[in-house]
Amino acid sequence: EADIYQTPRYLVIGTGKKITLECSQTMGHDKMYWYQQDPGMELHLIHYSYGVNSTEKGDLSSESTVSRIRTEHFPLTLESARPSHTSQYLCASRGAASYEQYFGPGTRLTVT
Amino acid sequence: GEDVEQSLFLSVREGDSSVINCTYTDSSSTYLYWYKQEPGAGLQLLTYIFSNMDMKQDQRLTVLLNKKDKHLSLRIADTQTGDSAIYFCAETPSSGSARQLTFGSGTQLTVLP
Repeated sequence: EADIYQTPRYLVIGTGKKITLECSQTMGHDKMYWYQQDPGMELHLIHYSYGVNSTEKGDLSSESTVSRIRTEHFPLTLESARPSHTSQYLCASRGAASYEQYFGPGTRLTVT
Repeated sequence: GEDVEQSLFLSVREGDSSVINCTYTDSSSTYLYWYKQEPGAGLQLLTYIFSNMDMKQDQRLTVLLNKKDKHLSLRIADTQTGDSAIYFCAETPSSGSARQLTFGSGTQLTVLP
């Protein structure tokens, strides 16, 4: 069973607010990922990280940013939230020698 | 780029077998995965298969891979109401150390009593 956590689980905020979605894993995994899941349920990769101080943008363009200062922590930040950012955000991680990617429970974000 | 396709809906009677199908385009896919997502939850890894295999069985789950046709299927034997969920097929390419997943759009499985 994977130990990967996301907070908050649900968030409703107003337009223009700055928010940070938290993701932590206790497995020592070096690879971490952020996916956005739109209302049609398809997942798209928006950011990933090979390890500490290494981040890359994914296939789907996103106005969010990420950081990876510690192995276990991969937060995602929106500087100025907009209604178009309303979505579910899923964090995942994978160990170096593994092909198993484990997901957190997700954060459902609503921007009003 | 890579593309993964699934049918959107499947309904079966409790106790019957379910077969969820997936096709992919990337011939360099290394691993192919099946994930389950229940309402309001994250994705749960069910099983995965390496591209040099053609079948993998794990309790009620059987994965079949036809690499020539780029077709993957997940069979759930003796389907239960608790199996109702969205099932995602995903693949990871052989190149690139990040091994990010490309997902299908998901198949909503409804199990009728």
